[in-house]
Amino acid sequence: AQKVTQAQTEISVVEKEDVTLDCVYETRDTTYYLFWYKQPPSGELVFLIRRNSFDEQNEISGRYSWNFQKSTSSFNFTITASQVVDSAVYFCALITLAGTYKYIFGTGTRLKVLA
Amino acid sequence: DGGITQSPKYLFRKEGQNVTLSCEQNLNHDAMYWYRQDPGQGLRLIYYSQIVNDFQKGDIAEGYSVSREKKESFPLTVTSAQKNPTAFYLCASSKRQGAGSNQPQHFGDGTRLSIL
Repeated sequence: AQKVTQAQTEISVVEKEDVTLDCVYETRDTTYYLFWYKQPPSGELVFLIRRNSFDEQNEISGRYSWNFQKSTSSFNFTITASQVVDSAVYFCALITLAGTYKYIFGTGTRLKVLA
Repeated sequence: DGGITQSPKYLFRKEGQNVTLSCEQNLNHDAMYWYRQDPGQGLRLIYYSQIVNDFQKGDIAEGYSVSREKKESFPLTVTSAQKNPTAFYLCASSKRQGAGSNQPQHFGDGTRLSIL
């Protein structure tokens, strides 16, 4: 079975704090891709990052960084020096090539950054 | 600019009525998807289409129907058989998924459907 778990339903932080959003996935496939999306209050999902199962390098993009660890089946997302504009729901998703190319989404983590 | 347009933004349905949600993309993407989002449940796949004139059921297809007559359009009909249609509906598109490749999905702004 394939599954994505985002155990944190809601997180509140004060502006400028660092925050990590957790994502744990399950799959028996050896080739898969992981994604993070941001859903601001306007509703659309915005693509943030894609990572394939063969690339465990961590990635940094500005204030965003991602830590992919196959040993723990985790793909965590850290926002450094959070800002009010980071307030949104963040989704982690999994897609495997052995299946039917369907995304499996986590239930999302609502991040509230307080001024 | 290329993108995905969903309309209307808000939609109300009477009991026993079918309603159709529009989704149009000008990204030249082959694949299109419909998701339903309920509070606390994330996104669930309703239908998807990898190519024109072909579509597949997702995880919660009952009570919904789709068509894919044109590459740029993938309308979703919520039929009267869908007993709990109140939700936020998101349409997405991507380049065609295939072995050895993966493509991020691009999403529209969504349609919020409510029952009168």
